[in-house]
Amino acid sequence: DAMVIQNPRYQVTQFGKPVTLSCSQTLNHNVMYWYQQKSSQAPKLLFHYYDKDFNNEADTPDNFQSRRPNTSFCFLDIRSPGLGDAAMYLCATSRDATDYEQYFGPGTRLTVT
Amino acid sequence: KNQVEQSPQSLIILEGKNCTLQCNYTVSPFSNLRWYKQDTGRGPVSLTIMTFSENTKSNGRYTATLDADTKQSSLHITASQLSDSASYICVVSGGGSYIPTFGRGTSLIVHP
Repeated sequence: DAMVIQNPRYQVTQFGKPVTLSCSQTLNHNVMYWYQQKSSQAPKLLFHYYDKDFNNEADTPDNFQSRRPNTSFCFLDIRSPGLGDAAMYLCATSRDATDYEQYFGPGTRLTVT
Repeated sequence: KNQVEQSPQSLIILEGKNCTLQCNYTVSPFSNLRWYKQDTGRGPVSLTIMTFSENTKSNGRYTATLDADTKQSSLHITASQLSDSASYICVVSGGGSYIPTFGRGTSLIVHP
């Protein structure tokens, strides 16, 4: 049974054309994370939500925004994608701030042309 | 600064052989350490999670060890299979934050 679902799995967008990636979870976890992962690198945290509280990493570009309209869904918006934004985007969840087990979705591979 | 270092960066072995991957960390205070397997183009999948009091934990052919005194962990893979080809990521939690610290991973290739 899918627990963390990401759509689409593959996304191609043009340089400068806004794109939205989505993540949903069936675990009812309080914390949701967005990571960016480039080839052969560790996932880099962009944002996380603890319930409705939004936390932005200091070095996350302004080009990236996120929304969490309810517990189950979280969106990553890239307002003006550049070639350097091509990467795998991973969504993860954890039950709460004291439970560090993270559950990852399958990822969305973003290509910028 | 919380850091997680993994070695080797990449490893090639023959099917059926054993291998050991290493993880050193500086995260303090320590909460737990996890090993994830990440297939190419997929999200990471948890293999083991270890807390301070645990020295070893197994999941099938995967055995993780933890030495909290030296801040080292290893992941041993026994009788490797072609499906073990993946990136193995060490993730450490603690350091006063619930945001975990990721290693860069070890890329394992198993050849027939």
